[in-house]
Amino acid sequence: EAGVAQSPRYKIIEKRQSVAFWCNPISGHATLYWYQQILGQGPKLLIQFQNNGVVDDSQLPKDRFSAERLKGVDSTLKIQPAKLEDSAVYLCASSLDRQGGEQYFGPGTRLTVT
Amino acid sequence: TQLLEQSPQFLSIQEGENLTVYCNSSSVFSSLQWYRQEPGEGPVLLVTVVTGGEVKKLKRLTFQFGDARKDSSLHITAAQTGDTGLYLCAALSGTYKYIFGTGTRLKVLA
Repeated sequence: EAGVAQSPRYKIIEKRQSVAFWCNPISGHATLYWYQQILGQGPKLLIQFQNNGVVDDSQLPKDRFSAERLKGVDSTLKIQPAKLEDSAVYLCASSLDRQGGEQYFGPGTRLTVT
Repeated sequence: TQLLEQSPQFLSIQEGENLTVYCNSSSVFSSLQWYRQEPGEGPVLLVTVVTGGEVKKLKRLTFQFGDARKDSSLHITAAQTGDTGLYLCAALSGTYKYIFGTGTRLKVLA
């Protein structure tokens, strides 16, 4: 079974630029998560989708971050404009459903904002 | 804001030693998971505990969920260099939202 795919793996941008990350979850997984993991910390949930609907985006900085999951499969996370404090690893995860089951994580995208 | 505090934050030990890491909160959770994350990779699930007082063993790893479901511990017996990584606890808040702990970075020296 293929795992969660993410691209790009690394990205370096200057502050105020825009960036987009892509995630392809495990086939058949209804729930998709985007997490932000700052160096030395645990992942922080940014947004959770159930199929193509948003379940929770309470910690998403909506003035600069946006995410979509068209057709309930792939998802993109965008930052516009980026700030220095956005430097982090952005992890995508998926699970079969939203009822507390195992989350399968992708390798992450390491973003550096200079 | 619900917080999961993990301790210690960093741990460096010799191969063959035993260790315990802790995950604590003031909130009650319906279930708790432990993950291990290696550099450049996403976290991988080790175990899920759901019942207060529950103990689960996975080879040399022993996981315990506190009686009140507010805390958990992970004990590793005879650590190996392959156990090196970031250990994360994650608690289920409500019915669907996961909160991750602050992490314990373990380094096992040969």
